[in-house]
Amino acid sequence: EAEVAQSPRYKITEKSQAVAFWCDPISGHATLYWYRQILGQGPELLVQFQDESVVDDSQLPKDRFSAERLKGVDSTLKIQPAELGDSAMYLCASSLGTSNEQFFGPGTRLTVL
Amino acid sequence: GIQVEQSPPDLILQEGANSTLRCNFSDSVNNLQWFHQNPWGQLINLFYIPSGTKQNGRLSATTVATERYSLLYISSSQTTDSGVYFCAVPITGTASKLTFGTGTRLQVTL
Repeated sequence: EAEVAQSPRYKITEKSQAVAFWCDPISGHATLYWYRQILGQGPELLVQFQDESVVDDSQLPKDRFSAERLKGVDSTLKIQPAELGDSAMYLCASSLGTSNEQFFGPGTRLTVL
Repeated sequence: GIQVEQSPPDLILQEGANSTLRCNFSDSVNNLQWFHQNPWGQLINLFYIPSGTKQNGRLSATTVATERYSLLYISSSQTTDSGVYFCAVPITGTASKLTFGTGTRLQVTL
């Protein structure tokens, strides 16, 4: 069964360091999403790609966060420098198109010390 | 923006019991998803249900879009059903930017 892959599953870093997360969507899915989930809350969208183009990054803190999907397949989310408040679960999802069912990967749990 | 509220916020059941989880949303939507977040944090798709009723094993869901609510039914609950259940709908004016509900935390005991 096709799944969204993410790595690493867990990441511990110190504040002011750089971190990067990787996502490989389900094959053939044109739309890719990065969400952030703070403990006790629901996920919130950070950035949405349609193929290699950013469709929505209105909630992405652009002073420290960046995301790319260079070839329209896998994607990388980077934080530089990390802050204590960035500790959260980072979830990647994909869908066939913009109005289709979204499927989520296992997530990367980030702890910033 | 659209508001999505779920009830109850917490639920404790004995194994074998049935339950109904509710999701209310404040604006019309063109799709709705139900997810189960397991203790390891993974979001598992349960239903993609813009309207009508769907069933998958012990779980079923009904969305009444005109009245702005959806229900998730869990029958003969098992300990593996424990976790948090979220409904999610697109933000008004978009087809894909999901807004997640407040969640229902379910604990199934032996």
